[in-house]
Amino acid sequence: ETGVTQTPRHLVMGMTNKKSLKCEQHLGHNAMYWYKQSAKKPLELMFVYSLEERVENNSVPSRFSPECPNSSHLFLHLHTLQPEDSALYLCASSQGPGMDSPLHFGNGTRLTVT
Amino acid sequence: AQSVTQPDIHITVSEGASLELRCNYSYGATPYLFWYVQSPGQGLQLLLKYFSGDTLVQGIKGFEAEFKRSQSSFNLRKPSVHWSDAAEYFCAVGAGSSASKIIFGSGTRLSIRP
Repeated sequence: ETGVTQTPRHLVMGMTNKKSLKCEQHLGHNAMYWYKQSAKKPLELMFVYSLEERVENNSVPSRFSPECPNSSHLFLHLHTLQPEDSALYLCASSQGPGMDSPLHFGNGTRLTVT
Repeated sequence: AQSVTQPDIHITVSEGASLELRCNYSYGATPYLFWYVQSPGQGLQLLLKYFSGDTLVQGIKGFEAEFKRSQSSFNLRKPSVHWSDAAEYFCAVGAGSSASKIIFGSGTRLSIRP
């Protein structure tokens, strides 16, 4: 059982839709992350939140909009996506934002953009 | 900037055989090094990490890895694999103090031959 829960597990959306991915961590961690995992490409860090403040945005297109209302919840709002945005989106959390805090990953949301 | 290379995209070994997965990194100083495993349909799970000290580190599920500075390598080993070890394995390198600076390799898919 993972301490990081992501919903939905699968999502199919058209390019004009608006949807949101949800992540919840039950570990009492203070940092949360969104990663994108595409086939045959390394894991890409998208956003980092520490104590509910965004501390990193890795040049992610504005059609992806993160939200961290509290230290346990993280959302990724999606609108007007492109087919190349189809991927597995992974949420992770860590005790703190430091390198010595291991990342705990959720099982991901498999997104397909049609 | 740091980088990490996993030269083997796919490896097949027989159940009970030994395993070694290769990882090479590029970084000017002593990096933080990690191995993660991803089973089908799941997120990444930390197997082990190296920060400093003993260059042979033990991890979960019977895995170990050895940091070799002279070869810029951090290879993952297991003396006897089990069918349940079939998964994707990711090496990662971190530089600096923030977990957001972790770079992941492209992964090695491990298949187990009965």
